[in-house]
Amino acid sequence: SQQGEEDPQALSIQEGENATMNCSYKTSINNLQWYRQNSGRGLVHLILIRSNEREKHSGRLRVTLDTSKKSSSLLITASRAADTASYFCATASHQTGANNLFFGTGTRLTVIP
Amino acid sequence: GAGVSQSPRYKVAKRGQDVALRCDPISGHVSLFWYQQALGQGPEFLTYFQNEAQLDKSGLPSDRFFAERPEGSVSTLKIQRTQQEDSAVYLCASSHSSGGAHEQFFGPGTRLTVL
Repeated sequence: SQQGEEDPQALSIQEGENATMNCSYKTSINNLQWYRQNSGRGLVHLILIRSNEREKHSGRLRVTLDTSKKSSSLLITASRAADTASYFCATASHQTGANNLFFGTGTRLTVIP
Repeated sequence: GAGVSQSPRYKVAKRGQDVALRCDPISGHVSLFWYQQALGQGPEFLTYFQNEAQLDKSGLPSDRFFAERPEGSVSTLKIQRTQQEDSAVYLCASSHSSGGAHEQFFGPGTRLTVL
């Protein structure tokens, strides 16, 4: 079963608007990562935030992490039609020997030109 | 060279057939991961290799699933006696560091359809 849950499941906005996606997880983490997946393609890494960080920026992306609430958010500012994709959060466990990422169910973002 | 490549991109199998899915990771990447992604879901972990050693196969759903990476580069995921519930996209990812806590680079996936 998957550890993370994204909210909302689907989001539709006009080009130029901001898009916010949320992710909740269940266990202690080493870091949290956000990935993007275009239809029929593999996942592309967007940003990684460590458990001791609270906010991180990369271009039009802003990620926050609240370990006390076990939640993260991804904000895409000034959205473009090309941002249309599914976005997944993925957590790397804090447990020794944990070897994989746990992915959420994803948010499908549609940006209308 | 380029990114992670996978072949075939699409595979249709009759129930009961064996299939083999190939992954070419980024050259020099130590870690290699296989994930299964059902329609409308996020990827779910299957197995992990560090070089040629399979260190974690806890996500393999049954003993019909087998993976290998004999020379620490190319990997093959084999599914024996395929069932309809095996239909999914199988994603391969590699990472330059050991373990799963680092950025992973994904291939385009193999879409398996079992009839």
